[in-house]
Amino acid sequence: AQTVTQSQPEMSVQEAETVTLSCTYDTSESDYYLFWYKQPPSRQMILVIRQEAYKQQNATENRFSVNFQKAAKSFSLKISDSQLGDAAMYFCAYRSLRNTPLVFGKGTRLSVIA
Amino acid sequence: ETGVTQTPRHLVMGMTNKKSLKCEQHLGHNAMYWYKQSAKKPLELMFVYNFKEQTENNSVPSRFSPECPNSSHLFLHLHTLQPEDSALYLCASSRTRRTTDTQYFGPGTRLTVL
Repeated sequence: AQTVTQSQPEMSVQEAETVTLSCTYDTSESDYYLFWYKQPPSRQMILVIRQEAYKQQNATENRFSVNFQKAAKSFSLKISDSQLGDAAMYFCAYRSLRNTPLVFGKGTRLSVIA
Repeated sequence: ETGVTQTPRHLVMGMTNKKSLKCEQHLGHNAMYWYKQSAKKPLELMFVYNFKEQTENNSVPSRFSPECPNSSHLFLHLHTLQPEDSALYLCASSRTRRTTDTQYFGPGTRLTVL
């Protein structure tokens, strides 16, 4: 069974600085998608970024980028120029291309310090 | 806003009550999902509906009864719940069940069972 591990329950970053959230996963499959979701205090979870495992190039969305290391089964999220609105729970998730359910990690709570 | 709404946002009920959670999506999607989010645990998929047909029941107790009258609406009927069922219940939708289709989440219903 696939598992997703987020080893940092809480992180903090100074406004305008850069922070990296860690995620590792376990799978025997070769084709899959990885996701980072953000859940602000208002609770509506939104997709931040996603990565297709067959693509070697790391995905980037504005200030958000990932470091995808397929061999190491690592998928970290880098937030550059952190803003107060980035404060939220961040969930890493995995889904195989066989349309099996999304598998989520336990989340990392990110605080942004003004 | 993600285009997925949930009502009520908060619900307190006794163990003998019967209540229903409602989810509505305005995105023209064909797949809808119920998730349970408990403290300190990863999100757990409960049910999946695709074109109004239930395609997945993740070993959920029968005191939770889903209903999908059309592709835009999803209900979760609750009866004789236990205190351990207290959690945030999230609804999500996607264009299809395929992994490549992003899931959009609602804001959730915070359920407390007394």
